[in-house]
Amino acid sequence: DAGITQSPRHKVTETGTPVTLRCHQTENHRYMYWYRQDPGHGLRLIHYSYGVKDTDKGEVSDGYSVSRSKTEDFLLTLESATSSQTSVYFCATTMRTQHRELFFGEGSRLTVL
Amino acid sequence: KNEVEQSPQNLTAQEGEFITINCSYSVGISALHWLQQHPGGGIVSLFMLSSGKKKHGRLIATINIQEKHSSLHITASHPRDSAVYICASNFGNEKLTFGTGTRLTIIP
Repeated sequence: DAGITQSPRHKVTETGTPVTLRCHQTENHRYMYWYRQDPGHGLRLIHYSYGVKDTDKGEVSDGYSVSRSKTEDFLLTLESATSSQTSVYFCATTMRTQHRELFFGEGSRLTVL
Repeated sequence: KNEVEQSPQNLTAQEGEFITINCSYSVGISALHWLQQHPGGGIVSLFMLSSGKKKHGRLIATINIQEKHSSLHITASHPRDSAVYICASNFGNEKLTFGTGTRLTIIP
């Protein structure tokens, strides 16, 4: 268990409101990722970070921003939530690169009404 | 663009049966991951392999680089093996491409 916690685990919000999901890790892993999981799709990468203040976009980054001011925290922000962002969001970390074992958080279920 | 396909999408078997889940990818990769997602939603890493075969308990993962194919086998399956199994591949960069998963149900 890599000690990855996500918060909140469940959230219901309304269209147009800002939402921030937090991923916290205690393993000092360098790489952190945010994925969304939707029916009929594999996990899709939203954004990732390869160090403090170093982030890059994934394949579905529109409408999302991230920040990483400390090694242990990776925040995902929806500036103005839309119904298409209703999903389950997973944070993942790895010590070095994707060639290493991935560790996942428990997931955050977001519903945008 | 790398695409990852898994088969079957759903698999139901009796307890004790030998299970095989397949994963094919479209371009050369540097590593392939097998993950397990429990009914409660949590995801755990089972294997990461770039060649050959790995074994952990009743689980065996193999990969054929030339054929761009990997298999996950479960011997002596048990109801607690019921889960969604996901394969994912990467090219050597930081981005994984995930399959849509195989839902396995083991009936006692």
